[in-house]
Amino acid sequence: GENVEQHPSTLSVQEGDSAVIKCTYSDSASNYFPWYKQELGKGPQLIIDIRSNVGEKKDQRIAVTLNKTAKHFSLHITETQPEDSAVYFCAAIFSGNTPLVFGKGTRLSVIA
Amino acid sequence: DAGVIQSPRHEVTEMGQEVTLRCKPISGHNSLFWYRQTMMRGLELLIYFNNNVPIDDSGMPEDRFSAKMPNASFSTLKIQPSEPRDSAVYFCASSRQGGNYGYTFGSGTRLTVV
Repeated sequence: GENVEQHPSTLSVQEGDSAVIKCTYSDSASNYFPWYKQELGKGPQLIIDIRSNVGEKKDQRIAVTLNKTAKHFSLHITETQPEDSAVYFCAAIFSGNTPLVFGKGTRLSVIA
Repeated sequence: DAGVIQSPRHEVTEMGQEVTLRCKPISGHNSLFWYRQTMMRGLELLIYFNNNVPIDDSGMPEDRFSAKMPNASFSTLKIQPSEPRDSAVYFCASSRQGGNYGYTFGSGTRLTVV
């Protein structure tokens, strides 16, 4: 069935280092892949997304890469800062008007 | 825009009581989603609406759960009767219809059933 696998479930990095979170999806027809950041006590917030016609997208310190052949996409955060500490969710649209399917989340801790 | 507005932010109720959660989506968004978040299950989609019409409620755990969207600017999620295992954070999200658009989530309602 439609599925998004996300790993790792927890990640600790030193401030200034890079963090990478990876997701794989089950349906090769998927064409939209957003990433969300959830801070404590708040709802998930869209931070970046990528569509299937591009392989990489950057926005300042965050970037997302997509490999449609291998059916995986990754979130890269460079020069991490304590305020990057949060839970990150990947998601995918599997067809047409169906809702997003979310991964289980990665708890990122940036250690000062 | 004020974003997706949910109320109440916190709700504590006794087992057996009726609970109603409320959501106001972003103006112009015609898809609305109700999610439940727990440590064990993560983000679970309960039900979603397109143009105020319920499309898929297969995620609603039991008949005790019901949702309505009487107009484009308001939706409710009701639990009757509530049980302790319903304790979770409930999120409402909205988006433009048609897939391929990011969702905007509300701040959530933290429900505790004692």
